[in-house]
Amino acid sequence: NIVLTQSPASLAVILGQKATISCTASESVNKFGINLMHWYQQKPGQLPKILIYNEFSRAPGIPARFSGDEAELNFTLTIEPVEADDVATYYCQQGLTFPLTFGSGTKLEIK
Amino acid sequence: EVQLVESGGGLVQPGRSMKLSCAASGFTFNNYDMAWVCQAPKKGLEWVATISYDGSSTYYRDSVKGRFTISRDNAKSTLYLQMDSLRSEDTATYYCARQETTWGWYFDFWGPGTMVTVSS
Repeated sequence: NIVLTQSPASLAVILGQKATISCTASESVNKFGINLMHWYQQKPGQLPKILIYNEFSRAPGIPARFSGDEAELNFTLTIEPVEADDVATYYCQQGLTFPLTFGSGTKLEIK
Repeated sequence: EVQLVESGGGLVQPGRSMKLSCAASGFTFNNYDMAWVCQAPKKGLEWVATISYDGSSTYYRDSVKGRFTISRDNAKSTLYLQMDSLRSEDTATYYCARQETTWGWYFDFWGPGTMVTVSS
């Protein structure tokens, strides 16, 4: 199984600053040159919402403040500038192979 | 507008069964793979099972293989999850999700979820 290790477990960011969330995969999630890594946002008491799919493609309606990147097996979700509405838990998920797996989540708070 | 609405959750004793349903609307149901994803209280997301658009292929996480069965009725645009031999560790909110498969598997729409509590 592909294990996704997310860090940090939680972070507090000042409004208007940058938040960086990392997700390290235990093995490649690349298929024909595309990394099949996806990111979700789950606000308190709400259902998850897709933010980024296939490493860096923003889902419809997602603002450009959210971006995805990759270096080797390390994937990054960046939110800049952070807004109050971004308070949520963020999850990565690999879409290469079954079982589909999620990271453990990163809780974003406003400092 | 895509809508997914789960039903069938509640309190059930260990060892018993429960069947969840998910009514889909706003898209061509039989064009999409569908999935169940669960979330235990205060915990993270876990993929449970996936069924192909035509029901011909199914996939399960190891912990539910042989106990849970995912199925669909395309004529009714409805997804199901039959849960047998339930355990306390199956306690979670179960989300129905549309699974995008064009390139990579991810969940582009989610239902609000239905809570399943396994307890005596």
